Amino acid sequence: DTGVSQDPRHKITKRGQNVTFRCDPISEHNRLYWYRQTLGQGPEFLTYFQNEAQLEKSRLLSDRFSAERPKGSFSTLEIQRTEQGDSAMYLCASSELTGLSSTDTQYFGPGTRLTVL
Amino acid sequence: GENVEQHPSTLSVQEGDSAVIKCTYSDSASNYFPWYKQELGKRPQLIIDIRSNVGEKKDQRIAVTLNKTAKHFSLHITETQPEDSAVYFCAAKRRAGGTSYGKLTFGQGTILTVHP
Repeated sequence: DTGVSQDPRHKITKRGQNVTFRCDPISEHNRLYWYRQTLGQGPEFLTYFQNEAQLEKSRLLSDRFSAERPKGSFSTLEIQRTEQGDSAMYLCASSELTGLSSTDTQYFGPGTRLTVL
Repeated sequence: GENVEQHPSTLSVQEGDSAVIKCTYSDSASNYFPWYKQELGKRPQLIIDIRSNVGEKKDQRIAVTLNKTAKHFSLHITETQPEDSAVYFCAAKRRAGGTSYGKLTFGQGTILTVHP
């Protein structure tokens, strides 16, 4: 499978626990994005990387959220001290930026569904 | 920041009819507009996209039109089939290049139901 993959697919945790999700992008894609999607809504941008550099974080992103892409390949998203409001689908996407005229098309992974009890 | 509004929120059609979904955007710097289809429990999948230097793009039964002056773009599906039933999202993005030009801003989604 050469698409974007995410692990785990489902995570149930108790409020106050920390969770970590992993995303493996399409091979050689230099950009990687994290989005959050709640029921009945479109994906909401969280943060993105170009290679290993984190270029933008949403102002809505709490300090409890942190993301890394240490070697410019896979990425992890950690949520500390989870709250019930963190329950959502966390989507990862990747793209290949080849130049200023590139459309930078984003391809999504299957998501990790987080339920905070 | 960018704001994308999508209408209608639900759309019900008979098989064989056409379906049209409309989106408006606020950021005049946006120049890339993809449409994603998301089936229940599955990942969003790109079905068509358009850049601001063209007014219309077509791919078999799917077409997208863009009016940059009015800041709106639309998805047109002709000869709808039951397998077209899904949630459709429009999105907008600034052109590539620069640190803030990566994220997609999505509309709220349209639930399309095609009745056999």
